[in-house]
Amino acid sequence: AQKITQTQPGMFVQEKEAVTLDCTYDTSDQSYGLFWYKQPSSGEMIFLIYQGSYDEQNATEGRYSLNFQKARKSANLVISASQLGDSAMYFCAMREVNSGGYQKVTFGIGTKLQVIP
Amino acid sequence: EAGVTQFPSHSVIEKGQTVTLRCDPISGHDNLYWYRRVMGKEIKFLLHFVKESKQDESGMPNNRFLAERTGGTYSTLKVQPAELEDSGVYFCASSPWGRGNEQFFGPGTRLTVL
Repeated sequence: AQKITQTQPGMFVQEKEAVTLDCTYDTSDQSYGLFWYKQPSSGEMIFLIYQGSYDEQNATEGRYSLNFQKARKSANLVISASQLGDSAMYFCAMREVNSGGYQKVTFGIGTKLQVIP
Repeated sequence: EAGVTQFPSHSVIEKGQTVTLRCDPISGHDNLYWYRRVMGKEIKFLLHFVKESKQDESGMPNNRFLAERTGGTYSTLKVQPAELEDSGVYFCASSPWGRGNEQFFGPGTRLTVL
């Protein structure tokens, strides 16, 4: 079974509007972390936002916010006031900690976001 | 502070040849990870070093892949002999000691096997 599911292979959004990128996850751990990374056409992976499973408030970083719904196991990324530079691939990822205390990160397949002027 | 660096940025080789990818983590980061993204698929974990020791290599596809991290600094990932299905982008990431720390990614090496 997939641990991270991103059901939107591609999304379009008008510049200056908000967009939500979906992510659901599957884990039996009580303690885990959720990340979103951005990969522009240049190829590097850019960390955007992190949500810990015990964090009570949704994480926010500037125009990025993570809509964390633990019971539904979803961690959607919301980008407000989209900019042309937001066009990129977006990856949702989950960190679990193994019995040795080391983290292992699982990624989703990604969503390609295109911002339209 | 310098980020994670990877070399080369691109590599094009023929099937059956050998390629060695290099990753230099952020200085002082004990944890080093290798990932691979094959076109159109998710980024997959390959292995994890803690200093020079392989902590988890469950994601290595087969014995054509060999990763080393001598001295606990930079790491190399060798593919020998390369096959067509090895084409993809190989990412390296590092994080400092301890649980629950963000992984900092390198820019990736795009490998094309013809």
